[in-house]
Amino acid sequence: NAGVTQTPKFQVLKTGQSMTLQCAQDMNHNSMYWYRQDPGMGLRLIYYSASEGTTDKGEVPNGYNVSRLNKREFSLRLESAAPSQTSVYFCASNQGHGQETQYFGPGTRLLVL
Amino acid sequence: GENVEQHPSTLSVQEGDSAVIKCTYSDSASNYFPWYKQELGKRPQLIIDIRSNVGEKKDQRIAVTLNKTAKHFSLHITETQPEDSAVYFCAADYNTDKLIFGTGTRLQVFP
Repeated sequence: NAGVTQTPKFQVLKTGQSMTLQCAQDMNHNSMYWYRQDPGMGLRLIYYSASEGTTDKGEVPNGYNVSRLNKREFSLRLESAAPSQTSVYFCASNQGHGQETQYFGPGTRLLVL
Repeated sequence: GENVEQHPSTLSVQEGDSAVIKCTYSDSASNYFPWYKQELGKRPQLIIDIRSNVGEKKDQRIAVTLNKTAKHFSLHITETQPEDSAVYFCAADYNTDKLIFGTGTRLQVFP
């Protein structure tokens, strides 16, 4: 099993450009999450999907949209990238809800110029 | 909303010494408190967790304690080794469907 996979690993964007970060899991998990990690700020939840067909905002949703394409895949879209969105983005998944182990992907390092 | 505070932000210890990282949370309804370890350039991985019906949990050299009354929980690492060097994050569940993370502690273990 690959676990949680993310693409791309690294991306450079210019301000105003758009892009989609892809995440997939092969563990048959119901819940999936998108976090951003900034120095000194820890992991902050952007959006999550408790089950296929549902999505909810986290702590820092502004400037992002998500799509739970199916049970395996959960994508994060930046419609108009800003330098403040320079960060490392992690996708995670777990079986049911917030009280279970979350398994993280390898991360996507995004630089917005 | 829920807030998790973590201290210290950096911690340096000599190999063989103990290390303690402390967290406080704000939501009295939180019941699940995991700890994640993140090595440089890698993804966070769960190392231990504790639920509110337990006051302490141990796994070899690591242990976690929970004081629900004070809304405090702590990670204890004994007999530290250089491979324990990493960033450690505490977290607390919120509304049972998501985690709120602390800001992390960078632990350095010197040989």
